[in-house]
Amino acid sequence: EAGVTQFPSHSVIEKGQTVTLRCDPISGHDNLYWYRRVMGKEIKFLLHFVKESKQDESGMPNNRFLAERTGGTYSTLKVQPAELEDSGVYFCASSQGLAGAMDTQYFGPGTRLTVL
Amino acid sequence: AQSVTQLGSHVSVSEGALVLLRCNYSSSVPPYLFWYVQYPNQGLQLLLKYTSAATLVKGINGFEAEFKKSETSFHLTKPSAHMSDAAEYFCAVRTNAGGTSYGKLTFGQGTILTVHP
Repeated sequence: EAGVTQFPSHSVIEKGQTVTLRCDPISGHDNLYWYRRVMGKEIKFLLHFVKESKQDESGMPNNRFLAERTGGTYSTLKVQPAELEDSGVYFCASSQGLAGAMDTQYFGPGTRLTVL
Repeated sequence: AQSVTQLGSHVSVSEGALVLLRCNYSSSVPPYLFWYVQYPNQGLQLLLKYTSAATLVKGINGFEAEFKKSETSFHLTKPSAHMSDAAEYFCAVRTNAGGTSYGKLTFGQGTILTVHP
């Protein structure tokens, strides 16, 4: 079974440009999460989808970030326009939404975004 | 609100020595606790998780963690370090959202483990 995949693995863009990150969750996982790790800091939650609906977007830093999950399958995270402080590693995770502690989030390898 | 503190951003041990990575949490409700590991150029992999079934949790690659409610701790240990254990380790806590069985993870700062011969 394929794991969570993310594309691209690396992206280098200039300030003011637009970048779109993609995440393909494990097949059948209704829950999809985005996290970000800025250099030297902890991994922080951005938002959570259940199928195509945004369950929790409390971690989105500002309105330059737009996440979508059309059809409840893959998700995209667009940053427009990108700023220097957006640099970091963006992780995607998915889970089945099992009862109680059984639910486990499986992470992708991340997308390293560098804004120059 | 929950939080996680990992004591020590870098830990260095000799091959064959005990590994101890510390994690303390703060949560207003009984937490679900996790340890993840990130090997170089890879994503986060689940090592183990606390499900309240047992306070001593065994995970992959010989790691285990003990949940101590009185100390609000969930330290990760391995009796004998191997060179392949060199990685970054993350402790995380999850509080379920509105009675659901899922929710965001709150991570500690991470601990880089170095194993030297």
